[in-house]
Amino acid sequence: QKEVEQNSGPLSVPEGAIASLNCTYSDRVSQSFFWYRQYSGKSPELIMSIYSNGDKEDGRFTAQLNKASQYVSLLIRDSQPSDSATYLCAVNRGNTGTASKLTFGTGTRLQVTL
Amino acid sequence: DAGVIQSPRHEVTEMGQEVTLRCKPISGHDYLFWYRQTMMRGLELLIYFNNNVPIDDSGMPEDRFSAKMPNASFSTLKIQPSEPRDSAVYFCASSFHRGVTDTQYFGPGTRLTVL
Repeated sequence: QKEVEQNSGPLSVPEGAIASLNCTYSDRVSQSFFWYRQYSGKSPELIMSIYSNGDKEDGRFTAQLNKASQYVSLLIRDSQPSDSATYLCAVNRGNTGTASKLTFGTGTRLQVTL
Repeated sequence: DAGVIQSPRHEVTEMGQEVTLRCKPISGHDYLFWYRQTMMRGLELLIYFNNNVPIDDSGMPEDRFSAKMPNASFSTLKIQPSEPRDSAVYFCASSFHRGVTDTQYFGPGTRLTVL
């Protein structure tokens, strides 16, 4: 089992729809979770972080965390063509007080169609 | 802030040659990370430093790879000798650690091609 698993996609959604991206992780001691967006040929950029169970909203983005089920998701409302990218889920395996030793999933490619 | 700076942006070399990748982290950040990204394996952590000291190099694939951080504003990743399977995009990232809330900021990457 991979430490961080994502469906590679592509996930295709029409413009204006909600895109739902999912990620599961295997290490129960993981404490912080991140979603990075990566456009083709570019570097990953952080869009959301979440540390507690529940939802965290930031504009059109909502991150959801369920530690009991070991999954984290990202919802993108009112999807735009500019949201078309690969979304990487990252999990911090480090203990409190240590560095963020992130483990990344292989990413889900999102395509927003006109 | 200029963000994380990496050089060169592209490197093409022949098998057996030495390759040196360079990184300047964001000023004030105390952690620096080197990653490698390939289509097959995704984004993999190679090594990271805290206050210029290597903390975990378990991701370094083999002895051909080495990394240094002589000061807070500069790090290198060296591959000697290089092999075609080292072809990948190498990213440097930096962060300022605040408990569990640190965020890593990535540089633009170096695309390495080994012929």
